[in-house]
Amino acid sequence: EVQLVESGGGLVQPGGSLRLSCAASGFTFSSFEMNWVRQAPGKGLEWVSYISGSGFTIWHAESVKGRFTISRDNAKNSLYLQMNSLRDEDTAVYYCAREAPHATGADYFDYWGQGTLVTVSS
Amino acid sequence: QRVLTQPPSSSASPGESARLTCTLPSDINVDGYKMYWYQKKAGSPPRFLLYYYSDSDKGQGSGVPSRFSGSKDASANTGILLISGLQSEDEADYYCMIWPTNTHAVFGGGTKLTVL
Repeated sequence: EVQLVESGGGLVQPGGSLRLSCAASGFTFSSFEMNWVRQAPGKGLEWVSYISGSGFTIWHAESVKGRFTISRDNAKNSLYLQMNSLRDEDTAVYYCAREAPHATGADYFDYWGQGTLVTVSS
Repeated sequence: QRVLTQPPSSSASPGESARLTCTLPSDINVDGYKMYWYQKKAGSPPRFLLYYYSDSDKGQGSGVPSRFSGSKDASANTGILLISGLQSEDEADYYCMIWPTNTHAVFGGGTKLTVL
């Protein structure tokens, strides 16, 4: 059974840092591209970051570029999001999401974690 | 900024059909993109429903009933999620998503569907 479990959320002051983790199980982690998606309170979904299976290719949304860094440790079946220079508007539930297998020919997120809440406030 | 426009809300009665739309800006041709649809209920992570590119290139999420279907209206530059035979459990927020470039994904603002 595919499982994604996020951790690391919490309360942080503006300008602070936080590192989110996503523990993956039930599939060959290194074979799948992974993403972070967030949802601010009362707002819609926002794509945040992407990382290839090898970790060599990463992309970030303009809203977080230069402040957030996605990474992975395939030996530990784990995905990370290092968040620096946090702002009030980064307050959200952060989800890790697996991309569908390449064989589908489509780039959708087929499995999601339950999410971890990040609150940026003084 | 969001490039996909979804009506904030929609409603229909049980047993009826709901047609949810996702309109792309004029500089992005809907015919060139796979459109993905997700369902989001409060307290739960998003659930992938389906994607639609063409009648010969589409896919349904695991366990998603066939009463959820996708299509496009090229004349309106719009992707469509059709939910037929509405049930109370379909009450949720629905989001469309595309990859307008190879390096960025974008969600629409979401439509809150109320089953009357």
